[in-house]
Amino acid sequence: QITLKESGPTLVRPTQTLTLTCTISGFSLSTSEVGVGWIRQPPGKALEWLALIYWDDDKRYSPSLKSRLTITRDTSKNQVVLTMTNMDPVDTATYYCAHRALGVRGVGSWFDPWGQGTLVTVSS
Amino acid sequence: SFELTQPPSVSVSPGQTARITCSGDALPKQYANWYQQKPGQAPVVVICKDTERPSGIPERFSGSSSGTTVTLTISGVQAEDEADYYCQSADSSGTWVFGGGTKLTVL
Repeated sequence: QITLKESGPTLVRPTQTLTLTCTISGFSLSTSEVGVGWIRQPPGKALEWLALIYWDDDKRYSPSLKSRLTITRDTSKNQVVLTMTNMDPVDTATYYCAHRALGVRGVGSWFDPWGQGTLVTVSS
Repeated sequence: SFELTQPPSVSVSPGQTARITCSGDALPKQYANWYQQKPGQAPVVVICKDTERPSGIPERFSGSSSGTTVTLTISGVQAEDEADYYCQSADSSGTWVFGGGTKLTVL
């Protein structure tokens, strides 16, 4: 059974750097074709994709946030870490990590399952 | 960057059919997925690769694709289907994107 769980601070001050950890189980970050993504959702608003890291350490970022994001993995700890610099109150959101599922013969991909999410508030 | 456009809201009576659309220029070349999100919960995929229903998803959920629009159809809507629905796709460079979400209200 694949599970993911996010952890990190619940409150961050403006201009600080946010570090979130996604701890996975039921799969390995070093297995071919594996990917883990981060998605956020401000209160009452839509989902926004942030970043994705693959088994071969390939990384993809949202173009609008690329300059502020870094995604890394620690295969020995089964963790994926997202850092976001220069936090602002508009970054207040629930942050989710999710497993990238693949279709048959590697055609098509989607997020399944998701972690429970962690609410991060940015306030002074 | 490409965008996905959804109607903000759709309302249907129980037992009727709900259709939620998602439009985007990249959709003729890229698959789309649909997620259901109920209040206070993480999203759950209900349709993947335009038309495939993952195991455990009720048969009343189906997906279709035509040109730049994909559609999520819920036949025989039940009260428990009231939720926010998001389409999602990715472009050829590996950038993922979500639609703005549609709130389904069961009257």
